[in-house]
Amino acid sequence: AQSVTQLDSQVPVFEEAPVELRCNYSSSVSVYLFWYVQYPNQGLQLLLKYLSGSTLVKGINGFEAEFNKSQTSFHLRKPSVHISDTAEYFCAVTSGAGSYQLTFGKGTKLSVIP
Amino acid sequence: ETGVTQSPTHLIKTRGQQVTLRCSSQSGHNTVSWYQQALGQGPQFIFQYYREEENGRGNFPPRFSGLQFPNYSSELNVNALELDDSALYLCASREGGRRGSPLHFGNGTRLTVT
Repeated sequence: AQSVTQLDSQVPVFEEAPVELRCNYSSSVSVYLFWYVQYPNQGLQLLLKYLSGSTLVKGINGFEAEFNKSQTSFHLRKPSVHISDTAEYFCAVTSGAGSYQLTFGKGTKLSVIP
Repeated sequence: ETGVTQSPTHLIKTRGQQVTLRCSSQSGHNTVSWYQQALGQGPQFIFQYYREEENGRGNFPPRFSGLQFPNYSSELNVNALELDDSALYLCASREGGRRGSPLHFGNGTRLTVT
């Protein structure tokens, strides 16, 4: 079985400051990892994904994430946030086999303060 | 390229009734999944269809059922609605068979059961 833990339910940060949203996963097999963003009253939009290869993954809107196998983590970072980054962020994992079921964390609400 | 579209956007039903939610997959995607997102939670996997057959199911009772049509559009049916079924229902499609292809989500249907 696989699971995802997002350690912070809410993260307030001032505009133009850096931010890190934490994600830890557990799985007995190799995994694919994803970060999605959800704006109010909308579906989920893919920010970035890790399948294999380089452990540093760059995504849209200036976000990046680093896969750390030994710590089973996939933390999301942005060096300078904007007001428009205010949203809920979800980390997700799948083994990529069978039904390709995504297991999501409970989400982290990022609030950017002007 | 048309994205994933869902209808209706909002729905109010009474406990015990039945509901059908609809989804049109992104062009070229032959795999569709449905997720339930309760308020303040991450999405939870309901089931997945690949080429009109269910090939994966999460921990949901049989009163949750689905269909996928030859044009890869899909329906989610829920019978005997319960208050706890109130949630955002998300449809997602992907290109099945392509390693690591991510899920693309629609904006969801907000179901309220009274």
